[in-house]
Amino acid sequence: SQTIHQWPATLVQPVGSPLSLECTVEGTSNPNLYWYRQAAGRGLQLLFYSVGIGQISSEVPQNLSASRPQDRQFILSSKKLLLSDSGFYLCAWRRQNTEAFFGQGTRLTVV
Amino acid sequence: AQSVAQPEDQVNVAEGNPLTVKCTYSVSGNPYLFWYVQYPNRGLQFLLKYITGDNLVKGSYGFEAEFNKSQTSFHLKKPSALVSDSALYFCAVRDRSGNTGKLIFGQGTTLQVKP
Repeated sequence: SQTIHQWPATLVQPVGSPLSLECTVEGTSNPNLYWYRQAAGRGLQLLFYSVGIGQISSEVPQNLSASRPQDRQFILSSKKLLLSDSGFYLCAWRRQNTEAFFGQGTRLTVV
Repeated sequence: AQSVAQPEDQVNVAEGNPLTVKCTYSVSGNPYLFWYVQYPNRGLQFLLKYITGDNLVKGSYGFEAEFNKSQTSFHLKKPSALVSDSALYFCAVRDRSGNTGKLIFGQGTTLQVKP
């Protein structure tokens, strides 16, 4: 069966520090991968998606970047965090004609 | 542009009563529609989907949803609510352009089931 792992679960980082959130998927190959951000416990905003290794599409301009160094690994990064980067970050994967499956999320607090 | 609307920020239901969480959509072509549930500080869990076929879709935990093309709606329903159903519910539509599979989410509806 397929599983998705996201870590860390919670993170408190000072303003100006770097960020690296990791997401890995097991039990499938060549998935589409997604990073979403959820602010204030409500709507989800798609940040990045990837349809293959090294292929990253950004949905909104921001202080974050994403990379996909391996087929089932998706990384969300920042060189210098802003207060406004605080939120709940969710990774998801999908194969053709299936629903998307989400990780358990990372709660990022920038202080 | 494709969009999803959940007109209610919160729905309050007494345990044992039927519940409905509303969702309307705007898409070009045939929609792929989804419902997800989120418990506090957790990821989203898939409940059910409509791709094609019967308009009444049955999903996890006794939930079902009815696809209504003429009203462009996909309301989530359950005949008898449980206190444990209290959570945040999201309706979503898949972006049909390209092969990205992006999901476009509604703003979410908080379901509160009271004993």
